[in-house]
Amino acid sequence: GAGVSQSPSNKVTEKGKDVELRCDPISGHTALYWYRQSLGQGLEFLIYFQGNSAPDKSGLPSDRFSAERTGGSVSTLTIQRTQQEDSAVYLCASSKGDTQETQYFGPGTRLLVL
Amino acid sequence: QKEVEQDPGPLSVPEGAIVSLNCTYSNSAFQYFMWYRQYSRKGPELLMYTYSSGNKEDGRFTAQVDKSSKYISLFIRDSQPSDSATYLCAMRRHSSASKIIFGSGTRLSIRP
Repeated sequence: GAGVSQSPSNKVTEKGKDVELRCDPISGHTALYWYRQSLGQGLEFLIYFQGNSAPDKSGLPSDRFSAERTGGSVSTLTIQRTQQEDSAVYLCASSKGDTQETQYFGPGTRLLVL
Repeated sequence: QKEVEQDPGPLSVPEGAIVSLNCTYSNSAFQYFMWYRQYSRKGPELLMYTYSSGNKEDGRFTAQVDKSSKYISLFIRDSQPSDSATYLCAMRRHSSASKIIFGSGTRLSIRP
């Protein structure tokens, strides 16, 4: 079956512009995660959606970052007024939401802020 | 201090060697431990998932958890060039916890 997909695969933008990154989770997965991976760094948790519960936004680095998940499926991560330090790979993952919590990752969006 | 520490490598070994990858952590509340493999320009994929202390074996891969030392390991036997990737350890406090803490990853290269 189809895995987690993300778009765009690459994004180059100018400092100060807004960007939107999209994630399509595996069908039927109730949990969706966003992570950020900078060069040589591990995955930094950003935000977590589980069903209809309020999202866990504790990892968002600033109020320039926001995310939404419409209809319990597709999610969009928005970065406003991008800064050069926002350059990274943004990874999305989904899981069934059961106790095993095996996360399936998408290929990521590579964001470069000039 | 990071909650999870992992040597970034790179680690280069000859084909057929036994590889040992390790992570240390500081939060004794972690109970679930995972190893992910990440190929270049791909998302991570789950390799091993263990709960609490002990060993778990899956083919050429063995995961070990020593909670008393706050130390986890991944062993790869009969290493193959296709095992060349970055390996990330990850852990969380309990099964329903939302936040998984990842190590920074160890870059592994298997020389043919």
